[in-house]
Amino acid sequence: DTGVSQNPRHKITKRGQNVTFRCDPISEHNRLYWYRQTLGQGPEFLTYFQNEAQLEKSRLLSDRFSAERPKGSFSTLEIQRTEQGDSAMYLCASSFPRVGTEAFFGQGTRLTVV
Amino acid sequence: QQQVKQSPQSLIVQKGGISIINCAYENTAFDYFPWYQQFPGKGPALLIAIRPDVSEKKEGRFTISFNKSAKQFSLHIMDSQPGDSATYFCAASLSTDKLIFGTGTRLQVFP
Repeated sequence: DTGVSQNPRHKITKRGQNVTFRCDPISEHNRLYWYRQTLGQGPEFLTYFQNEAQLEKSRLLSDRFSAERPKGSFSTLEIQRTEQGDSAMYLCASSFPRVGTEAFFGQGTRLTVV
Repeated sequence: QQQVKQSPQSLIVQKGGISIINCAYENTAFDYFPWYQQFPGKGPALLIAIRPDVSEKKEGRFTISFNKSAKQFSLHIMDSQPGDSATYFCAASLSTDKLIFGTGTRLQVFP
């Protein structure tokens, strides 16, 4: 499978715990994006990388959230001290950095904070 | 100014009918307007996209109409099929920047 891969697919955690998600982009893509999608809403941008450099972070990304992309390959998104409001689908996408190029999305990680 | 407004929120169409979803944007600097299709439990997948230098783009049963002066664009699904039942999102972006998504339209096509 050469698509964008996200793990785990589902995560249930207790409030206050830390969680980490992984995204493996399409190998030739040097752009990697993280989005968050809540029920009934469109995906909202969180952050993106070009290679290993994190180029932009949304105001939605509080200091409890951190993302990394070591060596410009896979990326991790960590949420510290989870809150019930963090419950959402976390989507990863990758693309080439060219105008009009398609962003390919993974199937997402569904986070439930209880 | 970064928002993309999408309507309707839900749409019910009979098989063979035309489904029409509309979006409006404010930022005239947006230069890429894709439509994504999402099935339950799956990530969004690109359906069709348009640049602002053309007024219409057609791919099979799917057509985007783009009105630059009105800052609106729409998706038309001709001969709608039950397999088209999904949530559709319009989006907009600045050059190679992040996508700004609409709130989505849940389409149900009944046989």
